[in-house]
Amino acid sequence: GNSVTQMEGPVTLSEEAFLTINCTYTATGYPSLFWYVQYPGEGLQLLLKATKADDKGSNKGFEATYRKETTSFHLEKGSVQVSDSAVYFCALSDTTNAGKSTFGDGTTLTVKP
Amino acid sequence: NAGVTQTPKFRILKIGQSMTLQCTQDMNHNYMYWYRQDPGMGLKLIYYSVGAGITDKGEVPNGYNVSRSTTEDFPLRLELAAPSQTSVYFCASSYRTSGSDETQYFGPGTRLLVL
Repeated sequence: GNSVTQMEGPVTLSEEAFLTINCTYTATGYPSLFWYVQYPGEGLQLLLKATKADDKGSNKGFEATYRKETTSFHLEKGSVQVSDSAVYFCALSDTTNAGKSTFGDGTTLTVKP
Repeated sequence: NAGVTQTPKFRILKIGQSMTLQCTQDMNHNYMYWYRQDPGMGLKLIYYSVGAGITDKGEVPNGYNVSRSTTEDFPLRLELAAPSQTSVYFCASSYRTSGSDETQYFGPGTRLLVL
């Protein structure tokens, strides 16, 4: 079956530091890949997505590239801010899996001033 | 658009009580989902629905029931609440067709405490 493995957290960075959160996946079909973000006390919301190999998703300074050869979708940001403190979830959606998405366990990011 | 709305936001139940968590979406999405999120953990799929009148089990369906009589509403029923059902419950929806990328839209969550 499908699976998503995320870098274990928590991750603590100073403001303006570089961020990488690793995500690798296993899927039987040709999945779309997502990063969702969950701010404290809220539901998940889409941060970015990529639907095919070599696509780059980007939003709010975050980027991730769909790498089929390494089955990875690592999240990066060049300069984090305190407001980026949240839990980040990597996920995949596979058209062969009857509508069910697969989520990673989440990585908690704390950015200190 | 309100998106996905959930009620209540917080509830305390006694062991053995029952309740219904409400979920409504106004985006005309065909797919809807219920997840639970335990502290420090990821999401576990409880039930999902591919359209009105059609529901199916996810990873952790025991102790829960759902119905989908309309496109908009997807209530989750807890019968005989147990402490193990203490969690945060998220409803989500998506519009899925052949080849769509299936972005899910989440509600704000219902925090449930069973004592």
